[in-house]
Amino acid sequence: DTGVSQDPRHKITKRGQNVTFRCDPISEHNRLYWYRQTLGQGPEFLTYFQNEAQLEKSRLLSDRFSAERPKGSFSTLEIQRTEQGDSAMYLCASSPSGQGNYEQYFGPGTRLTVT
Amino acid sequence: AQSVSQHNHHVILSEAASLELGCNYSYGGTVNLFWYVQYPGQHLQLLLKYFSGDPLVKGIKGFEAEFIKSKFSFNLRKPSVQWSDTAEYFCALWDTGRRALTFGSGTRLQVQP
Repeated sequence: DTGVSQDPRHKITKRGQNVTFRCDPISEHNRLYWYRQTLGQGPEFLTYFQNEAQLEKSRLLSDRFSAERPKGSFSTLEIQRTEQGDSAMYLCASSPSGQGNYEQYFGPGTRLTVT
Repeated sequence: AQSVSQHNHHVILSEAASLELGCNYSYGGTVNLFWYVQYPGQHLQLLLKYFSGDPLVKGIKGFEAEFIKSKFSFNLRKPSVQWSDTAEYFCALWDTGRRALTFGSGTRLQVQP
């Protein structure tokens, strides 16, 4: 399977702990996106990478959130001092570069539960 | 700001019934629109997309959508649904400013055999 993969698939943590999620995009895709999805809502954009450069960040991405894509391949999303409101599904997507390539391929997501 | 509205939150149909799911967007410029589907336990998958040209676009599994610029709509249709179409459906708009997708809140479709 050469699709987008995410690890872990589920994470349960206590409030105040730090968590880190990993995303491996489709290998030839230069663009990588993180979204957050809560129950009953559609995915909400968090941040976007073109290769290793983080080009866009949503206001949803508070200073407790940080994302990296150090070599332009996999990406990590870290949440520090987790809060119950951080409980959600965190989705990663990738797309190829090029004008008009807006179609995104999504991974299975990491479901975070903060107790 | 760009936004996407899906007014049907939960739709229940019997097999062979026709389907139409509403999607309205708010954006005054050139739009690129998508419908994604999420089957139970699976990840989001692209059903179809509209970039330009023919406003009636056909996607996978017999789905189609019509872009009506004057109504700011991009409704999803299928003439005859199957039990396997039970899923959540999301309409999305490409946000040229953020270079990401803006999604609607989704419509949960339940098809009864």
